Amino acid sequence: QSALTQPASVSGSPGQSITISCAGTSSDVGGYNYVSWYQHHPGKAPKLIIYEVNNRPSGVSNRFSGSKSGNTASLTISGLQPEDEAHYYCISLTSHSTMVFGGGTKLTVL
Amino acid sequence: EVQLVESGGGMVQPGRSLRLSCAASGFIFDDYAMHWVRQAPGKGLEWVSSISWSSDFIGYADSVRGRFTISRDSAKNSLFLQMNSLRDEDTAFYYCAKERDDSNGFSPSFDYWGQGTLVTVSS
Repeated sequence: QSALTQPASVSGSPGQSITISCAGTSSDVGGYNYVSWYQHHPGKAPKLIIYEVNNRPSGVSNRFSGSKSGNTASLTISGLQPEDEAHYYCISLTSHSTMVFGGGTKLTVL
Repeated sequence: EVQLVESGGGMVQPGRSLRLSCAASGFIFDDYAMHWVRQAPGKGLEWVSSISWSSDFIGYADSVRGRFTISRDSAKNSLFLQMNSLRDEDTAFYYCAKERDDSNGFSPSFDYWGQGTLVTVSS
């Protein structure tokens, strides 16, 4: 169960768009449409922002969108806002009926 | 209102055991898979274990398989994690989380999380 690969950090200015990648293998990201993304502010519980690759839970801003190509999933945040500054994690179901998180990406809003 | 409240954390010596509990309320506990996720100090999130609503499907991370046991009790609306043979690297905040969807099996879509309970393994 190797962790999915995410960039350690990304940054953007308010109003810009950023994309965070989540690279896996055909045994996890590439093999299933069960990839989710979480936003995590320090000291708070993680928040589900994307499930099943590209679905947003009720109440999540449409500025957040997800996609997948081959073994890599991506989270795009458009119209960056200061409150988007947080850690972001992807997670995928795997072929071994387990799950694996990415290492996490710290988003800085400049 | 959905609430998940973890308990049972604390400081324990390597090799010893600890049992975490997660009290659930505000939803039909029997209808949803439940999960444990942990975060070591300064590290990222790590999936630990999951159990389907029927308990027919159970999964463990390689790092805990054979040492940890997940279970649930519908009469108590509670999720448990029995942790044996604890190691230094098990030191973390442990969160319980509710599955978003009510199908059998489980998926990595956790719509509600508890606030976590800290487990410290140290001699």
